[in-house]
Amino acid sequence: QVQLQESGPGLVKPSQTLSLTCTVSGGSISSGSYYWSWIRQPAGKGLEWIGRIYTSGNTNYNPSLKSRVTISVDTSKNQFSLKMSSVTAADTAVYYCARALYFGELTPFGSWGQGTLVTVSS
Amino acid sequence: DIQMTQSPSTLSASVGDRVNITCRASQSISSWLAWYQQKPGKAPKVLIYQASSSKSGVPSRFSGSGSGTEFTLTISSLQPDDFVTYYCQQYNSYPWTFGQGTTVEIK
Repeated sequence: QVQLQESGPGLVKPSQTLSLTCTVSGGSISSGSYYWSWIRQPAGKGLEWIGRIYTSGNTNYNPSLKSRVTISVDTSKNQFSLKMSSVTAADTAVYYCARALYFGELTPFGSWGQGTLVTVSS
Repeated sequence: DIQMTQSPSTLSASVGDRVNITCRASQSISSWLAWYQQKPGKAPKVLIYQASSSKSGVPSRFSGSGSGTEFTLTISSLQPDDFVTYYCQQYNSYPWTFGQGTTVEIK
């Protein structure tokens, strides 16, 4: 059973870069043909998909965030990461990492981390 | 972007009730739709994928139907653990998008 765990600073200053890491256990991030995603949820609000990375390193991003977001993978550490630049208070949210439910291009999210709250404030 | 609209936003029901939650897409998404359940303070969990396929281990009282632009999540007999929030999500075209959520509350 794969498990995911987000980590990173809980407080980021406006205009700075948010950096989060998702550590995968219970399986190798490079085995299989899964997509690995980041999703966020502001307090009391709905879910927003940020983007995803394939084990090959190919990425897809939400166009609304694409100019500020980079997702990368480190197979040696069994981790993938999110960097979001020029953050504002609107980026305050719980950030989740997730793995696709099954192989393939069109797939929902099957396994999720517990989420980590990131607050943007000076 | 494909807009996903859920109705109702809040649903009041009792234990044992049969309830339906509707999700409408702004354009056809074939059957590329999933339903998630989210409990307070927890990550969402997928219940249904490809509109009507149940994830292994999901209670049989949860079922999904629909295709194209209109979809339904049915809970055949509400249990105490089911009074939480549900989201639909399309994965037909980028960016993947979610409905705004439906909260099922105790009447």
